Amino acid sequence: GQQVMQIPQYQHVQEGEDFTTYCNSSTTLSNIQWYKQRPGGHPVFLIQLVKSGEVKKQKRLTFQFGEAKKNSSLHITATQTTDVGTYFCAGYSGYSTLTFGKGTMLLVSP
Amino acid sequence: DTGVSQDPRHKITKRGQNVTFRCDPISEHNRLYWYRQTLGQGPEFLTYFQNEAQLEKSRLLSDRFSAERPKGSFSTLEIQRTEQGDSAMYLCASTLLGPLEELFFGEGSRLTVL
Repeated sequence: GQQVMQIPQYQHVQEGEDFTTYCNSSTTLSNIQWYKQRPGGHPVFLIQLVKSGEVKKQKRLTFQFGEAKKNSSLHITATQTTDVGTYFCAGYSGYSTLTFGKGTMLLVSP
Repeated sequence: DTGVSQDPRHKITKRGQNVTFRCDPISEHNRLYWYRQTLGQGPEFLTYFQNEAQLEKSRLLSDRFSAERPKGSFSTLEIQRTEQGDSAMYLCASTLLGPLEELFFGEGSRLTVL
């Protein structure tokens, strides 16, 4: 079955440093979504990427979808303490089930 | 509040007991998903409904698990003869079928099996 892998599992940065998490799928994805889960909270949708090579920005967050539609990345510029949480990528591979990666936990120290 | 609501938020039960969780999705959403999440893991797909039809079930959903969505509105997830390995957060999410199938998650129902 489809597998979605994320690296790193965990990253601890100082406030102001950049952060990147990478997502790889075992199958070609029709689209990929990113979610953020704050500690003790539930996943909240951030963005969806559909096109090969697509890049989208949300303020300090930059999302990329690979040319082969099998990988994606999320880059945060100049992290803030409010960025703390776990970031999940999730992909559809043609079925109607969204498969989530294990997530990257981000800790930001002031 | 017009978000996804789940009940109960917390359930502690003894091994072997049956438990039922309820999910009320966003009213106009026609798809409803159940996921399970354990500590340090991403949400794992269990099953989903389109309107009242259960269209897919994960292999994680053993015969002790059953889900319903009568009339295409709220949904219930029942676990019979609970085991300690069932301890997890059970997340419900809903979405509207379309080009952007953003999942709206509820707060989850945390199950602890003693």
